[in-house]
Amino acid sequence: GQNIDQPTEMTATEGAIVQINCTYQTSGFNGLFWYQQHAGEAPTFLSYNVLDGLEEKGRFSSFLSRSKGYSYLLLKELQMKDSASYLCAVEKAGNMLTFGGGTRLMVKP
Amino acid sequence: EPEVTQTPSHQVTQMGQEVILRCVPISNHLYFYWYRQILGQKVEFLVSFYNNEISEKSEIFDDQFSVERPDGSNFTLKIRSTKLEDSAMYFCARGQGHDNEQFFGPGTRLTVL
Repeated sequence: GQNIDQPTEMTATEGAIVQINCTYQTSGFNGLFWYQQHAGEAPTFLSYNVLDGLEEKGRFSSFLSRSKGYSYLLLKELQMKDSASYLCAVEKAGNMLTFGGGTRLMVKP
Repeated sequence: EPEVTQTPSHQVTQMGQEVILRCVPISNHLYFYWYRQILGQKVEFLVSFYNNEISEKSEIFDDQFSVERPDGSNFTLKIRSTKLEDSAMYFCARGQGHDNEQFFGPGTRLTVL
């Protein structure tokens, strides 16, 4: 079966750090993507993890543990424009992505 | 700069009608994907297309759906007889193959009345 879980909503303060978790149980795993999606817009690529460990890209970092079926997205120095949904997606054979329901992040001043 | 463009941005159609959604890559890519997102729900994989052939498809991608690359450039998704539940955002994505990012186009909002 396919199961990708992430919190539905999170709230954080401008300038703070927030961690969005994603756990997965899927048949087949090539890698894990994180996307950002503003309301009414297309998903925007943030990160792609294949190996265990932390990938850092500016204010955003993503971590993967394949043995635990776990990933997180870390957002530092939060800005108001970071208010969006963050989508965790597992890549399977054939490059098909299976998405979680997304985490809606609200950044408050 | 968008990786792919999609036309139309919004399509309204009557139930039972055929629609064709188009995806135009900016540069020459071999891997294309179609996803849909019903309002308020998760993004769902429909089909992947590599080297002018379907490589994977989901359970959603039934006989009502088809994809093709008629002129070697545009990549189309056709829905033969639309149903109310086909109303959704349809996203085209491009990739460069294994171990590579998938970049989404701006999407087409399909409304079936």
